[in-house]
Amino acid sequence: ETGVTQSPTHLIKTRGQQVTLRCSSQSGHNTVSWYQQALGQGPQFIFQYYREEENGRGNFPPRFSGLQFPNYSSELNVNALELDDSALYLCASSPTLDEATNEKLFFGSGTQLSVL
Amino acid sequence: AQKVTQAQTEISVVEKEDVTLDCVYETRDTTYYLFWYKQPPSGELVFLIRRNSFDEQNEISGRYSWNFQKSTSSFNFTITASQVVDSAVYFCALSEAERYTGTASKLTFGTGTRLQVTL
Repeated sequence: ETGVTQSPTHLIKTRGQQVTLRCSSQSGHNTVSWYQQALGQGPQFIFQYYREEENGRGNFPPRFSGLQFPNYSSELNVNALELDDSALYLCASSPTLDEATNEKLFFGSGTQLSVL
Repeated sequence: AQKVTQAQTEISVVEKEDVTLDCVYETRDTTYYLFWYKQPPSGELVFLIRRNSFDEQNEISGRYSWNFQKSTSSFNFTITASQVVDSAVYFCALSEAERYTGTASKLTFGTGTRLQVTL
C-alpha cells in the first residue's frame, strides 16, 4: 500500500474527446510525476510537478497537460484523444526533500484508458 | 539520452529455482540512480531497490540480490529460491540526479521482464 490513489481505475473514451485523470498523493509528498504505460511496454515519463509548477517534461505533445494543487493532489488532462493514447496512466509521488527517502517513488495502481 | 535495455522479455522457472534478470543501461551523466520495480497484475509498481552511481556495493535483501557493475553498465537482479508469488513483470529504471528538487523521479524504464514461476 503506497498511499497514492488514482481515479478512475478504468475509463473508455472516443477519439477526439478530452479526459481528466486524478491522483491523490501521500501527505507531505510535494513532487508528483505522471507516466504512460502502453501494453507490453515500460512506463514513459510524461511530466513532473514540484510545488505546483511543471518541472520537466518527457516527449509528449502539448495536448497532455497537468496540474498540481496546494494539497499536492494532481490531474493529468489529455485533449483531442487519439487511439494511441490507450494505455495505463500511472501517477507517482515523492516525499519532501530528504536524503534518506527522496529517491523513492510511490506509484498508484493507475488508470486504464481505452480510446475507441 | 538515457536508455535501459532488458533483453529478456519473458522467463519461466519452476519454483525454488534461482533466476537472474538482466539490465543494461546507457547514460552520459556521472551521477545517476538505478532502480528495480515489480509490477504485479494489479498494475501498481512496487519499489524494490535504488542504487546511486557511486555505490557499487552489491546488496542482498532476503531472497533478492543485486549486482551493480559500472564497468559493464549493468544492474542485474537475482531471485534465489523463486516462489510463485514472485510472478510479475520486473522493470529496471534509470534516473539522473535531479538538482532542482533533489528527487530522482524522471525515470527511464526498460521494457520489462515477465517472470513466470510455476509449481
